[in-house]
Amino acid sequence: NAGVTQTPKFRILKIGQSMTLQCTQDMNHNYMYWYRQDPGMGLKLIYYSVGAGITDKGEVPNGYNVSRSTTEDFPLRLELAAPSQTSVYFCASSYRGDSPFGQGTRLTVV
Amino acid sequence: GDSVTQMEGPVTLSEEAFLTINCTYTATGYPSLFWYVQYPGEGLQLLLKATKADDKGSNKGFEATYRKETTSFHLEKGSVQVSDSAVYFCALSDVYETSGSRLTFGEGTQLTVNP
Repeated sequence: NAGVTQTPKFRILKIGQSMTLQCTQDMNHNYMYWYRQDPGMGLKLIYYSVGAGITDKGEVPNGYNVSRSTTEDFPLRLELAAPSQTSVYFCASSYRGDSPFGQGTRLTVV
Repeated sequence: GDSVTQMEGPVTLSEEAFLTINCTYTATGYPSLFWYVQYPGEGLQLLLKATKADDKGSNKGFEATYRKETTSFHLEKGSVQVSDSAVYFCALSDVYETSGSRLTFGEGTQLTVNP
């Protein structure tokens, strides 16, 4: 059981570039989430999914897109990177209150 | 909406000191409550949880009791170690929301323990 796996761990993007943050889980959890963590702050929910084919916006969705074609995978897409998207991104899944997190992706936009 | 308020940090203690990190919450339903810990350069790890009023969560010497009357879930440890230095997040999850058990986080409290 690998839990929640995120890739890459680190990435530097130039303004206007795009990229996809990958997230996969092997626990067959229906619910999955993307959070961002800004320095000195708590985590803010970007998008979430309650099952394959179903996604919805969280608190801070602007500039991001997601898809959920399978139960296992929940990628996060940045289309036009901006400096304000410099952050650490965490993916999580959950079942009945247990919510394992991935190790995070540290993204810097320059 | 739901919210979590943690005591302002950072907190600096000497080894073997007593730790309390305060956490209060606002929720419309019957939330579960959590403490997560984030060690430097790592992701979040679940430290402990409580799912109903008066439950006590405990792990690695840390404890927190779900107090519905005061809407609180304060984290305590009787004797901290240098290895406890980390950021601690209080969080709640309302499992009856449409998004399942998504978490609402506090701002986090940085704990530094000096030898």
